[in-house]
Amino acid sequence: GDSVTQTEGPVTVSESESLIINCTYSATSIAYPNLFWYVRYPGEGLQLLLKVITAGQKGSSRGFEATYNKETTSFHLQKASVQESDSAVYYCALGDRQGGRALIFGTGTTVSVSP
Amino acid sequence: GGIITQTPKFLIGQEGQKLTLKCQQNFNHDTMYWYRQDSGKGLRLIYYSITENDLQKGDLSEGYDASREKKSSFSLTVTSAQKNEMAVFLCASSKGQGSEQYFGPGTRLTVL
Repeated sequence: GDSVTQTEGPVTVSESESLIINCTYSATSIAYPNLFWYVRYPGEGLQLLLKVITAGQKGSSRGFEATYNKETTSFHLQKASVQESDSAVYYCALGDRQGGRALIFGTGTTVSVSP
Repeated sequence: GGIITQTPKFLIGQEGQKLTLKCQQNFNHDTMYWYRQDSGKGLRLIYYSITENDLQKGDLSEGYDASREKKSSFSLTVTSAQKNEMAVFLCASSKGQGSEQYFGPGTRLTVL
Protein backbone atom coordinates (compact mmCIF):
# COMPACT_ATOMS: atom_id res chain seq x y z
CA GLY A 1 0.00 0.00 0.00
CA ASP A 2 0.88 3.68 0.13
CA SER A 3 2.74 4.79 3.22
CA VAL A 4 5.31 7.15 4.70
CA THR A 5 8.06 6.24 7.17
CA GLN A 6 10.17 8.85 8.88
CA THR A 7 12.87 9.08 11.55
CA GLU A 8 11.51 8.19 14.95
CA GLY A 9 12.05 10.87 17.51
CA PRO A 10 12.78 12.54 19.66
CA VAL A 11 15.89 13.96 18.05
CA THR A 12 18.08 16.30 20.04
CA VAL A 13 20.74 18.45 18.40
CA SER A 14 22.82 21.40 19.54
CA GLU A 15 22.48 24.83 17.99
CA SER A 16 24.57 25.26 14.81
CA GLU A 17 24.79 21.51 14.26
CA SER A 18 23.36 19.86 11.17
CA LEU A 19 20.06 18.00 11.13
CA ILE A 20 18.67 15.31 8.87
CA ILE A 21 15.25 13.72 9.21
CA ASN A 22 14.80 10.69 7.00
CA CYS A 23 11.60 10.11 5.07
CA THR A 24 10.90 7.22 2.75
CA TYR A 25 7.64 6.52 1.00
CA SER A 26 5.81 3.73 -0.73
CA ALA A 27 3.54 4.87 -3.54
CA THR A 28 2.23 1.64 -5.03
CA SER A 29 -1.08 3.16 -6.16
CA ILE A 30 0.17 6.69 -6.91
CA ALA A 31 1.61 7.30 -10.34
CA TYR A 32 2.75 10.90 -9.73
CA PRO A 33 3.55 11.51 -6.06
CA ASN A 34 3.69 14.97 -4.51
CA LEU A 35 5.91 15.20 -1.45
CA PHE A 36 5.59 17.58 1.47
CA TRP A 37 7.18 18.50 4.75
CA TYR A 38 4.91 20.03 7.38
CA VAL A 39 5.98 21.51 10.70
CA ARG A 40 4.29 22.26 13.99
CA TYR A 41 6.10 24.79 16.16
CA PRO A 42 5.25 24.85 19.89
CA GLY A 43 1.89 26.48 20.44
CA GLU A 44 1.15 26.81 16.73
CA GLY A 45 -0.85 24.92 14.14
CA LEU A 46 0.46 22.53 11.52
CA GLN A 47 1.86 24.41 8.54
CA LEU A 48 3.49 23.60 5.24
CA LEU A 49 7.29 23.89 5.29
CA LEU A 50 8.07 22.87 1.72
CA LYS A 51 6.80 20.78 -1.14
CA VAL A 52 8.19 19.14 -4.27
CA ILE A 53 6.02 17.73 -7.03
CA THR A 54 8.66 16.70 -9.57
CA ALA A 55 11.14 13.86 -9.12
CA GLY A 56 14.74 15.05 -8.92
CA GLN A 57 13.78 18.54 -7.78
CA LYS A 58 14.71 20.14 -4.48
CA GLY A 59 12.48 22.24 -2.28
CA SER A 60 13.74 24.70 0.28
CA SER A 61 12.36 26.94 3.00
CA ARG A 62 13.70 28.57 6.18
CA GLY A 63 17.12 27.01 5.56
CA PHE A 64 15.69 23.50 5.19
CA GLU A 65 16.07 21.48 2.00
CA ALA A 66 14.58 18.23 0.73
CA THR A 67 15.14 16.44 -2.57
CA TYR A 68 12.55 14.17 -4.13
CA ASN A 69 14.49 11.00 -5.03
CA LYS A 70 12.34 8.64 -7.04
CA GLU A 71 15.03 5.91 -7.25
CA THR A 72 15.35 5.57 -3.49
CA THR A 73 11.75 6.73 -2.80
CA SER A 74 13.07 9.20 -0.30
CA PHE A 75 12.47 12.81 0.67
CA HIS A 76 14.90 13.51 3.51
CA LEU A 77 14.79 16.89 5.24
CA GLN A 78 18.12 18.57 5.97
CA LYS A 79 19.45 21.75 7.51
CA ALA A 80 23.11 22.60 7.72
CA SER A 81 22.98 24.67 10.90
CA VAL A 82 19.94 24.57 13.17
CA GLN A 83 18.74 27.23 15.57
CA GLU A 84 16.78 26.94 18.78
CA SER A 85 13.73 28.23 16.89
CA ASP A 86 13.78 25.07 14.73
CA SER A 87 12.55 23.03 17.70
CA ALA A 88 9.31 21.57 16.42
CA VAL A 89 7.55 18.43 15.20
CA TYR A 90 8.19 17.67 11.52
CA TYR A 91 5.88 15.54 9.36
CA CYS A 92 6.61 14.07 5.96
CA ALA A 93 3.56 13.60 3.71
CA LEU A 94 2.73 11.96 0.39
CA GLY A 95 0.08 13.14 -2.05
CA ASP A 96 -1.24 12.19 -5.45
CA ARG A 97 -0.84 14.83 -8.15
CA GLN A 98 -3.76 13.32 -10.00
CA GLY A 99 -5.97 13.63 -6.96
CA GLY A 100 -8.16 10.78 -5.86
CA ARG A 101 -7.12 10.66 -2.22
CA ALA A 102 -5.99 12.71 0.73
CA LEU A 103 -2.40 13.16 1.89
CA ILE A 104 -0.70 10.34 3.78
CA PHE A 105 1.32 11.57 6.75
CA GLY A 106 4.27 10.07 8.58
CA THR A 107 4.10 9.80 12.35
CA GLY A 108 6.14 12.94 12.93
CA THR A 109 9.63 13.58 14.30
CA THR A 110 10.08 15.76 17.37
CA VAL A 111 13.24 17.87 17.14
CA SER A 112 14.70 19.71 20.12
CA VAL A 113 17.55 22.14 19.56
CA SER A 114 19.58 22.96 22.62
CA PRO A 115 21.41 26.28 22.96
CA GLY B 1 -4.38 34.23 2.14
CA GLY B 2 -7.03 32.62 4.22
CA ILE B 3 -7.74 31.05 7.53
CA ILE B 4 -9.30 27.93 9.00
CA THR B 5 -11.17 28.23 12.25
CA GLN B 6 -12.22 25.34 14.44
CA THR B 7 -14.73 25.45 17.25
CA PRO B 8 -14.60 24.74 20.04
CA LYS B 9 -10.92 24.79 20.92
CA PHE B 10 -11.53 22.43 23.86
CA LEU B 11 -14.42 19.98 24.00
CA ILE B 12 -15.26 17.98 27.10
CA GLY B 13 -17.94 15.32 27.00
CA GLN B 14 -19.24 12.32 28.85
CA GLU B 15 -18.72 8.78 27.66
CA GLY B 16 -21.51 7.85 25.24
CA GLN B 17 -22.35 11.47 24.46
CA LYS B 18 -22.82 12.76 20.91
CA LEU B 19 -20.43 15.65 20.24
CA THR B 20 -20.01 17.96 17.25
CA LEU B 21 -16.90 19.75 16.07
CA LYS B 22 -17.06 22.56 13.54
CA CYS B 23 -14.66 23.88 10.94
CA GLN B 24 -14.83 26.93 8.65
CA GLN B 25 -12.45 28.00 5.89
CA ASN B 26 -12.31 31.15 3.78
CA PHE B 27 -9.77 29.93 1.22
CA ASN B 28 -12.64 28.98 -1.11
CA HIS B 29 -11.08 25.52 -1.27
CA ASP B 30 -13.10 22.64 -2.69
CA THR B 31 -11.72 19.88 -0.47
CA MET B 32 -11.89 19.68 3.30
CA TYR B 33 -10.63 17.04 5.73
CA TRP B 34 -10.94 15.83 9.31
CA TYR B 35 -7.97 14.14 10.97
CA ARG B 36 -7.48 12.69 14.40
CA GLN B 37 -4.11 12.96 16.10
CA ASP B 38 -3.51 10.85 19.18
CA SER B 39 -0.79 11.93 21.55
CA GLY B 40 2.65 11.27 20.06
CA LYS B 41 1.26 9.79 16.87
CA GLY B 42 0.66 10.84 13.29
CA LEU B 43 -2.48 12.15 11.65
CA ARG B 44 -5.20 9.68 10.71
CA LEU B 45 -7.87 10.61 8.21
CA ILE B 46 -11.44 10.35 9.44
CA TYR B 47 -13.48 11.91 6.63
CA TYR B 48 -12.93 14.17 3.69
CA SER B 49 -15.16 16.00 1.24
CA ILE B 50 -14.29 17.06 -2.28
CA THR B 51 -17.23 19.41 -2.69
CA GLU B 52 -20.40 20.59 -1.00
CA ASN B 53 -22.60 17.66 0.10
CA ASP B 54 -19.89 15.12 -0.74
CA LEU B 55 -18.46 12.79 1.91
CA GLN B 56 -15.64 10.26 1.63
CA LYS B 57 -14.63 7.90 4.43
CA GLY B 58 -11.08 7.80 5.62
CA ASP B 59 -9.28 5.04 7.50
CA LEU B 60 -10.84 5.99 10.84
CA SER B 61 -14.48 6.79 9.99
CA GLU B 62 -16.15 4.26 12.29
CA GLY B 63 -17.78 6.07 15.20
CA TYR B 64 -17.95 9.38 13.35
CA ASP B 65 -20.33 11.21 11.03
CA ALA B 66 -19.54 14.24 8.93
CA SER B 67 -21.50 16.92 7.15
CA ARG B 68 -20.53 19.36 4.38
CA GLU B 69 -23.61 21.53 3.91
CA LYS B 70 -21.75 24.38 2.31
CA LYS B 71 -18.39 24.86 0.66
CA SER B 72 -16.90 26.82 3.53
CA SER B 73 -17.85 24.53 6.40
CA PHE B 74 -17.30 20.93 7.40
CA SER B 75 -18.51 19.47 10.67
CA LEU B 76 -17.61 16.24 12.41
CA THR B 77 -19.82 14.38 14.89
CA VAL B 78 -18.52 11.87 17.39
CA THR B 79 -21.57 9.61 17.58
CA SER B 80 -20.82 8.09 21.00
CA ALA B 81 -17.72 9.46 22.69
CA GLN B 82 -15.30 6.94 24.15
CA LYS B 83 -12.33 7.47 26.44
CA ASN B 84 -9.95 6.02 23.84
CA GLU B 85 -10.98 8.78 21.44
CA MET B 86 -9.35 11.53 23.46
CA ALA B 87 -7.19 13.28 20.91
CA VAL B 88 -6.72 16.47 18.94
CA PHE B 89 -8.98 16.74 15.90
CA LEU B 90 -7.57 18.73 13.01
CA CYS B 91 -9.51 20.21 10.13
CA ALA B 92 -7.77 21.04 6.86
CA SER B 93 -8.63 22.27 3.39
CA SER B 94 -6.96 22.16 0.00
CA LYS B 95 -7.57 23.27 -3.53
CA GLY B 96 -7.42 19.68 -4.79
CA GLN B 97 -6.98 16.31 -3.16
CA GLY B 98 -3.27 15.97 -3.89
CA SER B 99 -2.43 19.59 -3.15
CA GLU B 100 -0.96 21.08 -0.02
CA GLN B 101 -3.38 21.26 2.86
CA TYR B 102 -3.92 24.16 5.22
CA PHE B 103 -4.73 23.27 8.79
CA GLY B 104 -6.82 24.73 11.55
CA PRO B 105 -5.57 25.04 15.14
CA GLY B 106 -7.36 21.90 16.30
CA THR B 107 -10.01 20.85 18.82
CA ARG B 108 -8.83 18.91 21.85
CA LEU B 109 -11.38 16.33 22.95
CA THR B 110 -11.56 15.07 26.52
CA VAL B 111 -13.96 12.29 27.47
CA LEU B 112 -14.88 11.91 31.12
